[in-house]
Amino acid sequence: GAGVSQSPRYKVAKRGQDVALRCDPISGHVSLFWYQQALGQGPEFLTYFQNEAQLDKSGLPSDRFFAERPEGSVSTLKIQRTQQEDSAVYLCASSLAGGGANVLTFGAGSRLTVL
Amino acid sequence: GQQVMQIPQYQHVQEGEDFTTYCNSSTTLSNIQWYKQRPGGHPVFLIQLVKSGEVKKQKRLTFQFGEAKKNSSLHITATQTTDVGTYFCADSGGSNYKLTFGKGTLLTVNP
Repeated sequence: GAGVSQSPRYKVAKRGQDVALRCDPISGHVSLFWYQQALGQGPEFLTYFQNEAQLDKSGLPSDRFFAERPEGSVSTLKIQRTQQEDSAVYLCASSLAGGGANVLTFGAGSRLTVL
Repeated sequence: GQQVMQIPQYQHVQEGEDFTTYCNSSTTLSNIQWYKQRPGGHPVFLIQLVKSGEVKKQKRLTFQFGEAKKNSSLHITATQTTDVGTYFCADSGGSNYKLTFGKGTLLTVNP
């Protein structure tokens, strides 16, 4: 596609529910990133994929967070047993490069509100 | 871990005034990228600076990378209402892929 597509754009979950956020990167982009952006803050790194390989998941806040990109294109970020502190915008970004300083193209984000 | 600090946190200007935001680090920055995020939008890439002392211009925007590669700045000449948004700097550090973002500077412009 022309840009990075994320769905859903908005998600309201009750505390304890599981959620899944989808990212469809720009076609042909090797690298895919997930960032978390709390209100009034800059994006914070969660995880990085190069094709289907998850090369860095050091930013995932807890073992309730899980990300996958099984075929090297679409990625899903799953959050189990959501907590109120998980409320944030989850940004997906992709880049053409497989290494080096990546210039990121961000999606519109998925805003998660946990009640 | 690496920290990238931005000042000011907020800046309100009259249309036509100039605006500058600064990005600082206690450690040497690798590659500085600047992004703009409109209210309710997502970050959009503006520029990347790599070399010590580098200066790049995009119309009314001037980006600088410090000689010691520990700071960077974005200067907007004669602001317009379309410049409203949050400006973030981000550094790739030693990883070459993991960007560490500053907290951003929110610019508002009074017409």
